[in-house]
Amino acid sequence: AQKITQTQPGMFVQEKEAVTLDCTYDTSDPSYGLFWYKQPSSGEMIFLIYQGSYDQQNATEGRYSLNFQKARKSANLVISASQLGDSAMYFCAMREEYGNKLVFGAGTILRVKS
Amino acid sequence: EPEVTQTPSHQVTQMGQEVILRCVPISNHLYFYWYRQILGQKVEFLVSFYNNEISEKSEIFDDQFSVERPDGSNFTLKIRSTKLEDSAMYFCASSESPGLYGYTFGSGTRLTVV
Repeated sequence: AQKITQTQPGMFVQEKEAVTLDCTYDTSDPSYGLFWYKQPSSGEMIFLIYQGSYDQQNATEGRYSLNFQKARKSANLVISASQLGDSAMYFCAMREEYGNKLVFGAGTILRVKS
Repeated sequence: EPEVTQTPSHQVTQMGQEVILRCVPISNHLYFYWYRQILGQKVEFLVSFYNNEISEKSEIFDDQFSVERPDGSNFTLKIRSTKLEDSAMYFCASSESPGLYGYTFGSGTRLTVV
């Protein structure tokens, strides 16, 4: 079964506008963690933001925020005020309670237009 | 900021040859991982390592693969007899504790099997 689903293979956004990248997940564990990583064309994996399943508030890190809707099992990444340097592949990932590995989604390619 | 170091950044090898990919995790981290990303595809978990032994491995991690922490600082992935389909980006990651959002990825080694 697909644990992490990213339904948007590619997205375009105008510079300075906000964009939402979708992520839904599937788990029966009560405790889990959700992660977003950015992979620019150079290939490295850059950690962006984390949300724990018991966190009461949505996570925020600078221009990144995570719209966590637990009942819907979604953890969408919101990037505000997009910049040209935000153009990259974005991966959603999950760690379940009984395990320490990350399971990744297929990724979304974001292109920021000037 | 502490980082995970991977060497080499790119390796080309003949099919059937052995390769060793090297990683230096962050010094106070206790959990180590290898992931693989075939070009244009999702990031896949290979193996996790804790307390000098494998704690979890995926179906991909068959008898051709092995991991080792030979000297307390390096963490290596060995592929005994490479196949064309082993061509991929290999990421090493480390974490202080999987319960925290402390997964740090290296910049990756791009392995090309010819």
